[in-house]
Amino acid sequence: AQKVTQAQTEISVVEKEDVTLDCVYETRDTTYYLFWYKQPPSGELVFLIRRNSFDEQNEISGRYSWNFQKSTSSFNFTITASQVVDSAVYFCALSETNSNSGYALNFGKGTSLLVTP
Amino acid sequence: DADVTQTPRNRITKTGKRIMLECSQTKGHDRMYWYRQDPGLGLRLIYYSFDVKDINKGEISDGYSVSRQAQAKFSLSLESAIPNQTALYFCATSDFGSPGPIYNEQFFGPGTRLTVL
Repeated sequence: AQKVTQAQTEISVVEKEDVTLDCVYETRDTTYYLFWYKQPPSGELVFLIRRNSFDEQNEISGRYSWNFQKSTSSFNFTITASQVVDSAVYFCALSETNSNSGYALNFGKGTSLLVTP
Repeated sequence: DADVTQTPRNRITKTGKRIMLECSQTKGHDRMYWYRQDPGLGLRLIYYSFDVKDINKGEISDGYSVSRQAQAKFSLSLESAIPNQTALYFCATSDFGSPGPIYNEQFFGPGTRLTVL
């Protein structure tokens, strides 16, 4: 079963619009980690944020912000005033501490964001 | 210099050929991982290793083998490549020392784009 669901396959916005990328996860662990990665067209994975399950404080980093809500098992990512350089595929991922996969990341299928001028 | 390197970066091979993808890291991490990315599917775990003597299968290990030659090196082999192994392959490392800012963060290599004809 998919442990991380990114329901939005593709999103297209016009530059300067705000955009939210949704991420819903599923786990029975009480201790786990959530991540967001960016994959630009060049293909590398760029780490954006890690959040542990005990830290529900929302975070803001420049134009990026993250909303972690354990009650709804969601870890959504918002880009404010989007720019063309934000065009990329964004992955949400879950690392469980009681899994049998060595704390490997379970990735969602990704959301492809296209920001047009 | 990059902390996690992968060689080759691109490879085209033919069905039935044996091929090895190599990963090296200078981060001093014990844990290393191999993931595969297919379009629209996110990344999936192939193998992971806690240390030189501890290697484990991931979600999609069939058709692959690995070797942990040293703490810093983790190689992925395709004994007899087939076209549906065409994908982008990522190596990653993680640190499970004392909890801190990078605890449980995974550091990814730049990826190897493999095409099997």
